[in-house]
Amino acid sequence: QVQLVQSGAEVKKPGASVKVSCQTSGYTFTTSHIHWVRQAPGQGLEWMGIINPGGGSTEYSQRFQGRLTMTRETSTSTVYMELSGLSSEDTALYYCARSPIQLWSRNPFDYWGQGTLVTVSS
Amino acid sequence: DIQMTQSPSTLSASVGDRVTITCRASQSISSRLAWYQQKPGKAPKLLISEASSLESGVPSRFSGSGSGTEFTLAIISLQPDDLASYYCHQYNSYPYTFGQGTKLEIK
Repeated sequence: QVQLVQSGAEVKKPGASVKVSCQTSGYTFTTSHIHWVRQAPGQGLEWMGIINPGGGSTEYSQRFQGRLTMTRETSTSTVYMELSGLSSEDTALYYCARSPIQLWSRNPFDYWGQGTLVTVSS
Repeated sequence: DIQMTQSPSTLSASVGDRVTITCRASQSISSRLAWYQQKPGKAPKLLISEASSLESGVPSRFSGSGSGTEFTLAIISLQPDDLASYYCHQYNSYPYTFGQGTKLEIK
């Protein structure tokens, strides 16, 4: 069965960086994009960006340009999301989610990780 | 960026009621609209894709409609298990965007 398993909760100081992992299983790693979505406490969902695990290409929301880096490790079917220059506004639950790749089409997020809580506090 | 305006933000209804949630896109997104259900402390769950296509295993009391800029999620015969927040999501163009969410309360 398809699974996306994320790394554990993190507590960081303002200005620091955080790196969250998302290990996938149950499907061929290169056949689905991986997205990162975050949710601040009591708030809605915010899309951060996408990585194509096949070639490693990425697309980031302008809100995070310059601070966000997504990478992948094909040998372990794992995707990483690193966010730098953290502030209290980055305190949120961070989710990875997959969307199957289809030629000439796009797909929504059919499987999600369990979420990783990142707390930014001095 | 495409803005997704979802309403209402909260909704209180009784078991057995029919409820509808609407989502409006700031520009046409064709049918690339999904609906998710998020229960407290859980990750979102995909209910509907392509505006009206029900995902496998999702109860038939859920339905979606619309295209272009106006979309609706309907739940007929509301059940206690439907207590959750619901989000629309456009995946037509980057940056992908979500509606603000609708919190559904059971009276």
